Amino acid sequence: KNQVEQSPQSLIILEGKNCTLQCNYTVSPFSNLRWYKQDTGRGPVSLTIMTFSENTKSNGRYTATLDADTKQSSLHITASQLSDSASYICVVSGRYGNKLVFGAGTILRVKS
Amino acid sequence: EPEVTQTPSHQVTQMGQEVILRCVPISNHLYFYWYRQILGQKVEFLVSFYNNEISEKSEIFDDQFSVERPDGSNFTLKIRSTKLEDSAMYFCAGDTGTSYGEQFFGPGTRLTVL
Repeated sequence: KNQVEQSPQSLIILEGKNCTLQCNYTVSPFSNLRWYKQDTGRGPVSLTIMTFSENTKSNGRYTATLDADTKQSSLHITASQLSDSASYICVVSGRYGNKLVFGAGTILRVKS
Repeated sequence: EPEVTQTPSHQVTQMGQEVILRCVPISNHLYFYWYRQILGQKVEFLVSFYNNEISEKSEIFDDQFSVERPDGSNFTLKIRSTKLEDSAMYFCAGDTGTSYGEQFFGPGTRLTVL
């Protein structure tokens, strides 16, 4: 069964600190992996999209890594800000990039 | 910057009633999607729509659900006879159809079935 698992479930960090979120997937065949940020009560917003041939991709303070062999990805957030508080969702596209399989997300809270 | 819009933002309905959720996708998008998110749970794929027909649907998308793009602009999701378990946030999304294209999500419609 196509699944996306994320850890930790939730995380609290101090403003200015870094953090890394993890994602494991079993979706096959694999097309691409995306990280989304979802604020409470809002739609997901794309942070990065990586194909199987890409190992790392950055978007500002966000850096995603992908190991297609072990089917693992991570999202590293540098110098966190209060506005980074949100749910971060790992999403995998299994076929031709259209249908998305969502993880449950990691709820990040950044406190001052 | 263009964005996906959805109306209404919140819909409250009685069990058994029909509801229509509306979405206006970004104008150059060709593929359209509906997702739902039950409170506290993960986002789930419902249906994808291309060239005026359903291209893929999940097991959640049963006969009670239907989608259409009646005027080339609005993209709608209809639930014929709502159930309590249909209460969720419904997100519309769209993309240009390339394999690695970004899907842009709307802000969602919160459906509450009483």
